[in-house]
Amino acid sequence: EPEVTQTPSHQVTQMGQEVILRCVPISNHLYFYWYRQILGQKVEFLVSFYNNEISEKSEIFDDQFSVERPDGSNFTLKIRSTKLEDSAMYFCASSTGTGNYEQYFGPGTRLTVT
Amino acid sequence: QKEVEQNSGPLSVPEGAIASLNCTYSDRGSQSFFWYRQYSGKSPELIMFIYSNGDKEDGRFTAQLNKASQYVSLLIRDSQPSDSATYLCAVKAGKLIFGQGTTLQVKP
Repeated sequence: EPEVTQTPSHQVTQMGQEVILRCVPISNHLYFYWYRQILGQKVEFLVSFYNNEISEKSEIFDDQFSVERPDGSNFTLKIRSTKLEDSAMYFCASSTGTGNYEQYFGPGTRLTVT
Repeated sequence: QKEVEQNSGPLSVPEGAIASLNCTYSDRGSQSFFWYRQYSGKSPELIMFIYSNGDKEDGRFTAQLNKASQYVSLLIRDSQPSDSATYLCAVKAGKLIFGQGTTLQVKP
């Protein structure tokens, strides 16, 4: 069964460093998403991406964040200068369409900023 | 601000019982509703989705939607210890808006 994959599973970085989180969405999916979950809190939407551009972003997704689909399979989230409060689980998700279409989540990357 | 509300629990049920999980949402125009299961330290796993008023059954799971009252529920029949997890209600508005999740404990 196709699934979303994410690498790395755990990333430890120092405050101020840049990190890139990688995702491979399900192959026939066209819509891609990043969510994050701070320990003990809700899953929060960060950004959605379709047709090589951002379709929606949340208030969390400020200038420190960027997304890219560098090739036909990968979807990346970059945090330019990490802060302690960026420590969270980051989940990539994908779907075949918008509207009444399910989103499938990857296993997540645990980002720890020290 | 679109909100999704769930009782955080924990909801404790004995093995074999029916677990009932509830969710309310604020945006009356919402059309798509999802239940995800999340084990500790893991990602959300889709278990049910519902778009129309009424009930939708899939194995031991039944999702119920009442758009007039703006609530969604999930029933788990014959609950098993392996069902112990946090159940996340999500409402689609392009993106998914998640509730806090209800922790379910099924005791043998």
